[in-house]
Amino acid sequence: GNSVTQMEGPVTLSEEAFLTINCTYTATGYPSLFWYVQYPGEGLQLLLKATKADDKGSNKGFEATYRKETTSFHLEKGSVQVSDSAVYFCALNPVDDYKLSFGAGTTVTVRA
Amino acid sequence: GAVVSQHPSRVICKSGTSVKIECRSLDFQATTMFWYRQFPKKSLMLMATSNEGSKATYEQGVEKDKFLINHASLTLSTLTVTSAHPEDSSFYICSARFAQAETQYFGPGTRLLVL
Repeated sequence: GNSVTQMEGPVTLSEEAFLTINCTYTATGYPSLFWYVQYPGEGLQLLLKATKADDKGSNKGFEATYRKETTSFHLEKGSVQVSDSAVYFCALNPVDDYKLSFGAGTTVTVRA
Repeated sequence: GAVVSQHPSRVICKSGTSVKIECRSLDFQATTMFWYRQFPKKSLMLMATSNEGSKATYEQGVEKDKFLINHASLTLSTLTVTSAHPEDSSFYICSARFAQAETQYFGPGTRLLVL
C-alpha cells in the first residue's frame, strides 16, 4: 500500500538556521507529493508540491525535490524564521486515487 | 483562490446531542470533499470521501450512522456527529478538490468538545 514516513520531531532551531525535514514514501508508479503546513489551531495549508520525478516544488523559501531513485521528498529551508514554527506534513496522492496519505507530521519550533 | 471555510470553528456540546459541521468551498466548485479527524499531536485520519449528489464512502472503522455526511451541492458538505459522546471530541478538518485537479484545499478545522 501507499505510505509516507517522516522524520520524527520535535525539531527546535534558532532563527536563521537551516531546516531539513526528511520524508520518504512507498507507492506504485509516480504519485504526486506534497508538503502541507499547519499553524497552531488551524487547518492545513498547501506549502508546495511536485508531480513528477526531479520536479522541485518551492514556496516561501522552502524547497523539496521529488527523488524517484530514493523515493524521497525532503523539505528544506535555508534560513528559518520564528513565523515558520508549525507542524509540517508530507503527503502523497497515488496515481489511481485522490486520497492523500499523510506522514505523521513534524513539529518545528524556531526560537528568536 | 481555492478557499475552503468551516463553520463553526469551535463547538461545545452535551453528551447525547448532535452537532453539525459545515464545509464550504468559497470560490470553486468542489466535486469531492473529504472529512478528516485529527487527534492531539497526531496526523490526519481520513474518515470519508463525499462526491456531490452521491453517498459518502467511509473508511474502514468509521461508523456511518455516527458520522453522517451530506454533500448536497458543489460548494457545501456537512458532517453531523450524532449522539455525540466525549470520545468524539476532536479536531475535524474538511478538504475539497475540484474536477481534474488532485490538490486538496483544507478548511481551518472545527474543534469539537463533548462534555
